[in-house]
Parts: sequence; C-alpha cells; structure tokens
Amino acid sequence: GESVGLHLPTLSVQEGDNSIINCAYSNSASDYFIWYKQESGKGPQFIIDIRSNMDKRQGQRVTVLLNKTVKHLSLQIAATQPGDSAVYFCAENTYYGQNFVFGPGTRLSVLP
Amino acid sequence: SAVISQKPSRDICQRGTSLTIQCQVDSQVTMMFWYRQQPGQSLTLIATANQGSEATYESGFVIDKFPISRPNLTFSTLTVSNMSPEDSSIYLCSVRDRERHEQYFGPGTRLTVT
Repeated sequence: GESVGLHLPTLSVQEGDNSIINCAYSNSASDYFIWYKQESGKGPQFIIDIRSNMDKRQGQRVTVLLNKTVKHLSLQIAATQPGDSAVYFCAENTYYGQNFVFGPGTRLSVLP
Repeated sequence: SAVISQKPSRDICQRGTSLTIQCQVDSQVTMMFWYRQQPGQSLTLIATANQGSEATYESGFVIDKFPISRPNLTFSTLTVSNMSPEDSSIYLCSVRDRERHEQYFGPGTRLTVT
C-alpha cells in the first residue's frame, strides 16, 4: 500500500539555525499534505498544509516545499527555537480522500 | 480550528477490563476519527466514527474490540474492550473540517494496561 516515510529519524540543530525536515511519499495520487508537531504528552498540532497545485507555502517561521516530480515534501523552520523541539509528522491524502497516511516522524532537538 | 477535548487524559487499567474514552468537539463536524499511537511510533487509524451509523474500521481493528459510538456531530466514544498490555497506547480523537480539509487532533488519552 501507499506509505509515507522520512529520511532522518532524528535531527539536532543549534538554536537560531534553520531546520529542514524531509518526507518522502509513494502515492503519486496524493494531492494534499499536512505537517504536524507533537510535543511530549500532547496530541499532534496542525502546523501547515499544502495542496499539489502549489510547490511552496509559507506560514509563521515555517515553509513547506512540495516536489511532486520526486514525491518529496519538506518542512523548513526558520530561526529554530527551544520550543520547536518535538516530533514532526508528515501526513498525506487526496484532497477529498477519507484517510491520511502518516509518516514515522522525525524528532527535532534544539541545542542551546 | 476545532477545539477537541478527551476524557480521561490518562488511565491505568487491569487486563481484562474495558475503558471508554470520550471525545468532545466545540463545533459540529462531519468527520471524526480515532487513532492509536503506540509508544515512540506514528499514528495508526483505528476507525472513522460515522454519525448515526456503524463506524468504519481499518484492517486489523474490529468492532468487538473497539466499539465506537457517535450519537451526534460533536461527540464520540471509543471503548477498548477486554484489555491486554498490548493495548497500552495513546488513543487520539481527530476531526476534519469538511470545507477546509484540515484535520485536527485532541490531546490524547494515555492508557496503560497492567
């Protein structure tokens, strides 16, 4: 079946640096993607989404890039802060689809 | 975004017993889901909670083990029946905005079965 995976299971960055979290997906029919942040002991928090008719979308300190040619998604966090430490999941679906498929997650650790 | 609450937030239960988890949303939503997240792992969909009809279960999950109710558009329950230590997980309620397609999660219920 379709799967969503991540290149890096863990990522450590210095405070103030930019972070890039990557995600590969295998279902070429997927056209809607969401990034979630999950802090310890909490539920996943919606960060940003993107549809396949876009290749870039920006939010507050975050940017999601979508490369449909190679089925790759990335989340960029600018000026990473200690509060960004969490596990980040990508999820993919078709826009009118029923179920999201979640990647395995990447743990981001921000070093002082 | 929808505000989702779950009760209980955590529980420790003995094997063989059952626990019912409640999910309350602050607005009417068409689509509600229940997920399981085992320690250190990603999210797995258990079922879609359908208002006024039986839930739709994913492969590997059955109604006898995880009965679900959804009496209205703002509330759902998930029961974990005849629990074993393998059921120790975080159980998450989730809702989707039908117009905007965004999906949100509750805070989760951390279940430990001894």
